[in-house]
Amino acid sequence: LAKTTQPISMDSYEGQEVNITCSHNNIATNDYITWYQQFPSQGPRFIIQGYKTKVTNEVASLFIPADRKSSTLSLPRVSLSDTAVYYCLVGDSWGSQGNLIFGKGTKLSVKP
Amino acid sequence: ETGVTQTPRHLVMGMTNKKSLKCEQHLGHNAMYWYKQSAKKPLELMFVYSLEERVENNSVPSRFSPECPNSSHLFLHLHTLQPEDSALYLCASSQATGGDNEQFFGPGTRLTVL
Repeated sequence: LAKTTQPISMDSYEGQEVNITCSHNNIATNDYITWYQQFPSQGPRFIIQGYKTKVTNEVASLFIPADRKSSTLSLPRVSLSDTAVYYCLVGDSWGSQGNLIFGKGTKLSVKP
Repeated sequence: ETGVTQTPRHLVMGMTNKKSLKCEQHLGHNAMYWYKQSAKKPLELMFVYSLEERVENNSVPSRFSPECPNSSHLFLHLHTLQPEDSALYLCASSQATGGDNEQFFGPGTRLTVL
């Protein structure tokens, strides 16, 4: 069972780049790494997903080292609206949801 | 709008009531999920359905009873709940089960059990 570990909270200021690192030492060969964002009283929203190396989309980048035991979500130039909880998940592609577990996430607070 | 709707958005019920939560997805997905999110706790996966068949039940108490009549609709029937069951109940859907599938979440139902 691939467990993830993230910092409980992080603070940043508007315009800064924020990097949130997630540890997943027991990641399996078939596991993908996915990040979700959640605002209070709303459902989580998909941000980005990767398997290895680097993935970039219009909102974030995901860096995954060769050993895949960790990953880093990078948010460029954050704004106040990026204040949310960010979850790192690992899960395989074999159809089982048994090991797709949301941890406590990282509460990001962006200040003016 | 994620394409997943949930009703009601808020629900207050007594411990002896019977109520149902409804979820509908308009995305043509084959998998649907129920999650529970209590205050200051991580999301807990409750049930997973794939093509209308239940594939996961993470030891959820029997006072929660899911129903998936078709791939677009998911219900959670509630009976004799406890105050500690008060939480945000989230429905999600994905094209298929598996960790490489993006899950689309609904807005949730805020449940209060008195």
